[in-house]
Amino acid sequence: GAVVSQHPSWVICKSGTSVKIECRSLDFQATTMFWYRQFPKQSLMLMATSNEGSKATYEQGVEKDKFLINHASLTLSTLTVTSAHPEDSSFYICSAREGQGSAFFGQGTRLTVV
Amino acid sequence: QKEVEQNSGPLSVPEGAIASLNCTYSDRVSQSFFWYRQYSGKSPELIMSIYSNGDKEDGRFTAQLNKASQYVSLLIRDSQPSDSATYLCAPWRSGNTGKLIFGQGTTLQVKP
Repeated sequence: GAVVSQHPSWVICKSGTSVKIECRSLDFQATTMFWYRQFPKQSLMLMATSNEGSKATYEQGVEKDKFLINHASLTLSTLTVTSAHPEDSSFYICSAREGQGSAFFGQGTRLTVV
Repeated sequence: QKEVEQNSGPLSVPEGAIASLNCTYSDRVSQSFFWYRQYSGKSPELIMSIYSNGDKEDGRFTAQLNKASQYVSLLIRDSQPSDSATYLCAPWRSGNTGKLIFGQGTTLQVKP
């Protein structure tokens, strides 16, 4: 299957700081990218959907000013968690899709805010 | 009604048996359906995709789709302990506003 690279795989940050997570599609053009958050023993919760060159569409209850998503190119999307707090600690996963094809996931980023 | 419903399990089967995982969805306009496997602490990996009613086989895996009943299933033949994971069903609603929503997943335990 296609390769989606997510970086970093884990990060620890201090409360109040911002963290940027990158998601790259290595061998295909990701017309659509998805960002998910997963808490322990829970399902993946869709945070937002982004199409290249367009503003992201956020799910209900997700603060767009706190979780900044940029999808400036067909191979790169970024999620920035601004002013992170301990309750933002979670497993963040991106997924990328080319056209109407299957969606492939990055390795995930485990964020711990202390 | 939840958009995607799966029995959370755990579903326990002996090694070599057939594991049957079920999923129902609420959006009648969903066009594509995906099954992902997620090991604990890892991100999901794609196992199968199915787009038309009927069965689709790939190795030990068979996906079954019935759009009229809004039902999709995954059969795993000759289950192995390495198949122990959480299996996630995801229908895709096509179009520019399409998105991939997951059910809670079914945890499968294959016992040696």
